[in-house]
Order: sequence, then structure tokens, then C-alpha cells
Amino acid sequence: KQEVTQIPAALSVPEGENLVLNCSFTDSAIYNLQWFRQDPGKGLTSLLLIQSSQREQTSGRLNASLDKSSGRSTLYIAASQPGDSATYLCAPDSGAGSYQLTFGKGTKLSVIP
Amino acid sequence: GAGVSQSPSNKVTEKGKDVELRCDPISGHTALYWYRQSLGQGLEFLIYFQGNSAPDKSGLPSDRFSAERTGGSVSTLTIQRTQQEDSAVYLCASSLGEGFGSPSTDTQYFGPGTRLTVL
Repeated sequence: KQEVTQIPAALSVPEGENLVLNCSFTDSAIYNLQWFRQDPGKGLTSLLLIQSSQREQTSGRLNASLDKSSGRSTLYIAASQPGDSATYLCAPDSGAGSYQLTFGKGTKLSVIP
Repeated sequence: GAGVSQSPSNKVTEKGKDVELRCDPISGHTALYWYRQSLGQGLEFLIYFQGNSAPDKSGLPSDRFSAERTGGSVSTLTIQRTQQEDSAVYLCASSLGEGFGSPSTDTQYFGPGTRLTVL
């Protein structure tokens, strides 16, 4: 059974800082891994999807890396802004032909103006 | 185009009552997923539909939970004889699915969720 751990659980940084969110997962037989953000009282917004054959994916100020063999992924946010404040969720699929995602409990990010 | 929509946005019910939660996926998406997020817990998978069939129901917590999908579109999640531990946010997601996207590129798009409170 896939298990996902995200560290840290919460992070507070001043505006403009670069930061890294960490994710580890136990079953490396995945097809892909997605990073989402969740704003309070709202659904999830997909940020990036990394295929298992890829090592990283970039979108704007976001860069996600994947080390499948070691079961790790990181989300790098450059030049953080107050609008980045949200909970960030890492979700590898469960592999073995299953498309279901397994979620970590997330990292709650606060960017202080 | 329109995203995934869910209704109702909030539902308060009494213990023992049945509830129905609705999900309208993105048009053209053949895959549909239900997840739930309990207070302090991560999201957990409930069920996956490809078209109208459900090849993976492994996440349904008990036989009080059931789901159906008709016309390859709208899905309904039904919880019978609700219990207080069923209180959670129920999220629906859709993706292109088999025959369109491949597993490695199939981004899941989430709805805003239904917050269920069982008194």
C-alpha cells in the first residue's frame, strides 16, 4: 500500500524567499506523481504532473523533481509571494495499473508580506 | 470550459439518514474518481469509474457507501444510514481516462467538494 509523507507539515517564510517542499513515498512503482495546492474551503488545483520517466517538470516559478528509485519528490517555489499561501499536496499514483492517487497530509505554506 | 462541479456544496444531516452527493465531470472526461478528506486526515481514495463501470471500488469504507455513474457523465455517491464518522469533505475528480490520456499523463482535475456533516 502506497504511503506518502510530506515534510515539513507547515512552513512560514517571508515574501521573496525560495523554498523547497519535500515528499517521500513507499512504493516506487508509479506511473506519475502530481503536486496540488489546496486553498481553504476549496478543491484541489493541479500544479504539476511528473511522469515516472521524467526527472523534473517546470511551470513558471514552480519546479518539481522526481527521484523514483528513492521514492522522493520535491517542489521548489522561487521568489515566493503571499498568493502562494496554501496547502501543498503531493500525490503519487498507486502504480500497478491503478490510477488512484495517494495523498500526503500536505505542507501548509504561509508567505508573509 | 467548465470544470468539475459538485452539489450540494454543504450538507448537514442527522445520523441514520441517507445522503446523495453529485458530481458533474468535465465534458469528455471518461474517468471519474471520488475521494474524501476527513478533518486532520489526508485525502483518501474511494472509487474510480471508467465510463459507467467501476473497476476499482477498493476505497469504499463499508457497504453503506455506493456510487453509480450514468451516461458516462454524472456520478452520484450515496451514503446510507450515515454515521458521525462519515463527516468529511467529499471530492470528485475527472480525467481524460483510458483511450484518451495515458496513465502517465492523465492529470486529475478536482471539483470544489461537498462538505458533509452528520449530527
